[in-house]
Amino acid sequence: AQKVTQAQTEISVVEKEDVTLDCVYETRDTTYYLFWYKQPPSGELVFLIRRNSFDEQNEISGRYSWNFQKSTSSFNFTITASQVVDSAVYFCALRGENAGNMLTFGGGTRLMVKP
Amino acid sequence: DAGITQSPRHKVTETGTPVTLRCHQTENHRYMYWYRQDPGHGLRLIHYSYGVKDTDKGEVSDGYSVSRSKTEDFLLTLESATSSQTSVYFCAISSPEGVGETQYFGPGTRLLVL
Repeated sequence: AQKVTQAQTEISVVEKEDVTLDCVYETRDTTYYLFWYKQPPSGELVFLIRRNSFDEQNEISGRYSWNFQKSTSSFNFTITASQVVDSAVYFCALRGENAGNMLTFGGGTRLMVKP
Repeated sequence: DAGITQSPRHKVTETGTPVTLRCHQTENHRYMYWYRQDPGHGLRLIHYSYGVKDTDKGEVSDGYSVSRSKTEDFLLTLESATSSQTSVYFCAISSPEGVGETQYFGPGTRLLVL
């Protein structure tokens, strides 16, 4: 069985603050993939990043960065200099090689960025 | 953006009535999925399809059936809707790159069962 935990259900920050969204996962698979999706207030789900279990290199994309640590089974997401447009629910998801086609989602973290 | 549409986008129905939701893609992707989103649960897989007439159950399939007669369309049917099926339903598609392929989601259908 696979599981994703996003312990922070809601985070509130003031614009320009840095914020980190935590994601902890469980899987017995050796090969697996981790994803982050963003769900803005309009409701659609927007793909942000995919990372495979063999690539522990951190990634940066503009103000977004991701820290993948297999030793702690974590795949955390940091937004630098947050903006009001970053306000959304963010989901972490996991898919293991033996999980068929099942993408397992965490419960999501609602980020509110106040001006 | 992936070419995925869902219809209807909103629906209100009564307990015991059948409901069919449609997902349509223009990407010619082999895999299609139906998820439901409920507070605190993220998204959970209901059913998925790996080709025309090829479908399989997901984590929360009870009370739902699916059909795929064409590559581009994937239908989700609630045979007899119940209040516990009030949810937001998302369709997703992916291409067969392997187990790590990214799933892209449609805009969602908000269903209220009274």
